[in-house]
Amino acid sequence: EVQLLESGGGLVQPGGSLRLSCAVSGFTFSSYAMSWVRQAPGKGLEWVSGISGRGDNTYYADSVKGRLSISRDNSKNTVYLQMNSLRAEDTAVYYCAKVLGYYYDSSGYHPNNDFDYWGQGTLVTVSS
Amino acid sequence: EIVLTQSPATLSLSPGDRATLSCRASQSVSSYLAWYQQRPGQAPRLLIYDTSNRATGIPARFSGSGSGTDFTLAISSLEPEDFAVYYCQQRTNWQYTFGQGTKLEIK
Repeated sequence: EVQLLESGGGLVQPGGSLRLSCAVSGFTFSSYAMSWVRQAPGKGLEWVSGISGRGDNTYYADSVKGRLSISRDNSKNTVYLQMNSLRAEDTAVYYCAKVLGYYYDSSGYHPNNDFDYWGQGTLVTVSS
Repeated sequence: EIVLTQSPATLSLSPGDRATLSCRASQSVSSYLAWYQQRPGQAPRLLIYDTSNRATGIPARFSGSGSGTDFTLAISSLEPEDFAVYYCQQRTNWQYTFGQGTKLEIK
């Protein structure tokens, strides 16, 4: 059974830092890219960052570039989100998500990076 | 940035009705369009990927269609558990955007 468990959320002052963790089980972690997606209270979903299976490629939304940093430790089956220079608008539930990876159909092999498993989320509140 | 616009914002229907949700992209996303369901207090759940492929465990009453800039999620006969918020999402070169959501509520 695939499981993703986020931790590390909490209350932090503007300008502060926080590191989120997402521990996974139930699949070959190093074979799949991972992402973080956030949801501000009462709002929609916003993709934040992604990382390749080996960790050699990282991707960021423009809104967080330079302040948030994604990494992973494949020996610990864990993906991280280091959050610096936090702002009030970073207040949200942060979900980690696994990408589907690939699928086969009648026309052959297809890579796919949509999110087929999600954690339960961890709340980050940026406030003084 | 590719903007996804979902309509309607709210859809009021009864169990057993057919639901049709729309998602329009500001530029072509080819077939790289997914749909998610989110129930209150829960994480999103993948329903449809690459326009029309149902994710594992998703009932056949859910179907997706479209291409380019216009996409549709259809639910053939609504069950009580289908009343939730639905989001479309596109992926282009590792930049993802979501629509603002359609709330499907009980009439």
